[in-house]
Amino acid sequence: EAQVTQNPRYLITVTGKKLTVTCSQNMNHEYMSWYRQDPGLGLRQIYYSMNVEVTDKGDVPEGYKVSRKEKRNFPLILESPSPNQTSLYFCASSLGPTGKLFFGSGTQLSVL
Amino acid sequence: GDSVTQMEGPVTLSEEAFLTINCTYTATGYPSLFWYVQYPGEGLQLLLKATKADDKGSNKGFEATYRKETTSFHLEKGSVQVSDSAVYFCALIPSYNNNDMRFGAGTRLTVKP
Repeated sequence: EAQVTQNPRYLITVTGKKLTVTCSQNMNHEYMSWYRQDPGLGLRQIYYSMNVEVTDKGDVPEGYKVSRKEKRNFPLILESPSPNQTSLYFCASSLGPTGKLFFGSGTQLSVL
Repeated sequence: GDSVTQMEGPVTLSEEAFLTINCTYTATGYPSLFWYVQYPGEGLQLLLKATKADDKGSNKGFEATYRKETTSFHLEKGSVQVSDSAVYFCALIPSYNNNDMRFGAGTRLTVKP
């Protein structure tokens, strides 16, 4: 089954404790991206990747890192999380940037 | 930069009612326009799209027409069902940056039996 898999689904952490949210897709998509969803703001793009080793900033990249060492994986790294990063995070992938986006089920992150 | 504005929710309708969710956009050139739907506890799914003026996207009884003269892409359905209860997002990809999909704030629809 074609899918985008994010883990974990829920995460509660404390300020400053490094964390990684994993994202994997099994559709051989070249394009992957991360979004955060906040009430009243919709989805905002954090980072995207056009292919292996090619990443670029989206609208709200501050406080986040990503890597794309393999085509299928696109982890989101918070080196020193802060409470303003409490949000619902979605990973997405597509064949190309203008193609249909496939979304993961989301990761609800709470930073205390 | 380019952006979309959706009508504020929540929207509550009775089953079989007519649905309209308004979406207008601000853009340079000719963006591609999309509607995504998010069911409870799930990620977003593409509902329909239109890539040029006067195109009509349709899927599962939903329709939206790309209107350049009014910069709108309103979502409509003639008869909603309880299973249509979800959050609906209007989105665009600017003509000048294919890597940047911009979403509206979302409109929550609840359909009551």
